[in-house]
Amino acid sequence: NAGVMQNPRHLVRRRGQEARLRCSPMKGHSHVYWYRQLPEEGLKFMVYLQKENIIDESGMPKERFSAEFPKEGPSILRIQQVVRGDSAAYFCASSPRQTMNTEAFFGQGTRLTVV
Amino acid sequence: QKEVEQDPGPLSVPEGAIVSLNCTYSNSAFQYFMWYRQYSRKGPELLMYTYSSGNKEDGRFTAQVDKSSKYISLFIRDSQPSDSATYLCAMSAVPPSGAGSYQLTFGKGTKLSVIP
Repeated sequence: NAGVMQNPRHLVRRRGQEARLRCSPMKGHSHVYWYRQLPEEGLKFMVYLQKENIIDESGMPKERFSAEFPKEGPSILRIQQVVRGDSAAYFCASSPRQTMNTEAFFGQGTRLTVV
Repeated sequence: QKEVEQDPGPLSVPEGAIVSLNCTYSNSAFQYFMWYRQYSRKGPELLMYTYSSGNKEDGRFTAQVDKSSKYISLFIRDSQPSDSATYLCAMSAVPPSGAGSYQLTFGKGTKLSVIP
């Protein structure tokens, strides 16, 4: 039973480029949460998606960031025109239900570095 | 005032010691309380999950929630070098609309080192 898979594990982008982060949930999980961990900071909620629907994007920056979770395939977090301040670790968690409880698991994260 | 306050440490203890970690919070709507362990360059791993007030024990770990004081604790007995990690408290509320998110609000994490 594979865990939550995130790729790439490490991503380097130049300022102005686009970053695409992928999250494949565990089998049977149709709920995905994305969090961002800035250096020396705790994890911050970004967005909550169910298959084909964005349920809560209250933590997403208003510009340049978008997320999707299509019917088939992984959830994607997309950052356009990256800036140095976007350098962080991005984690997704998947769950079979709305709740982030004992059935929810985090991936290993994607570490984005903007140079 | 931040929603969740957690002393970042670092905290260094000798092997075998009892470790006490804690968080305070300001949002009285929080109902679910969690402790995660995060090793360097890894994702958070759920250690303890508690709903509302009370104590919960699992092996060497005990979680306590005091909603009247808005204070949660994690105790680690007989600490081991393998417990060296960053410990994150997290909490969530029931969404106002039933279909909303149970997003977690995290503390900054306490970095623990257990010295052999």
